[in-house]
Amino acid sequence: RKEVEQDPGPFNVPEGATVAFNCTYSNSASQSFFWYRQDCRKEPKLLMSVYSSGNEDGRFTAQLNRASQYISLLIRDSKLSDSATYLCVVNTAGGFKTIFGAGTRLFVKA
Amino acid sequence: DGGITQSPKYLFRKEGQNVTLSCEQNLNHDAMYWYRQDPGQGLRLIYYSQIVNDFQKGDIAEGYSVSREKKESFPLTVTSAQKNPTAFYLCASSMSTGATYEQYFGPGTRLTVT
Repeated sequence: RKEVEQDPGPFNVPEGATVAFNCTYSNSASQSFFWYRQDCRKEPKLLMSVYSSGNEDGRFTAQLNRASQYISLLIRDSKLSDSATYLCVVNTAGGFKTIFGAGTRLFVKA
Repeated sequence: DGGITQSPKYLFRKEGQNVTLSCEQNLNHDAMYWYRQDPGQGLRLIYYSQIVNDFQKGDIAEGYSVSREKKESFPLTVTSAQKNPTAFYLCASSMSTGATYEQYFGPGTRLTVT
């Protein structure tokens, strides 16, 4: 089992749709969580951190469920410019350990 | 304008040659990292450095070497011992290697070895 798993997609959605991605992690000692966005042939860019209480940034909402060991990203009112690969990232305490998921591809179509 | 720079953007080499990829940051971050990304796969950690003159192997260090002589710079050498060097190489930095710190990435170098 991979330490961080994501549905690779692709998710094909129309503009204006709401889409949700999930990510599961295997290490219960994981401490912090992030979502990154990666455009084709570009570097990953931090989209948002994920807090235990859940957090929102405009059209994006991230949630963490420690009991079930998964995090989620919800995108509302999808834009064409949201088309990208979304990477789930998990940091573990007690020594440096950052694991990147393989990513979920999103295509938003007009 | 703070950030991470990597050069060159594209690099072509013949098999058997060593090649060094540059990474510079002006974010005053203590920690720096090198990752490799292959098509359709997640990032894999090659080396990381928590402080000047110190670095540790990541998950796939074989065939690679690094140095950290200055806080701002963390060059990666891909040696001829690396069996499959063609990949997208990403350098990143963070304030520290503590678990709460997010990483910021440079634009990457695409290395092709033939």
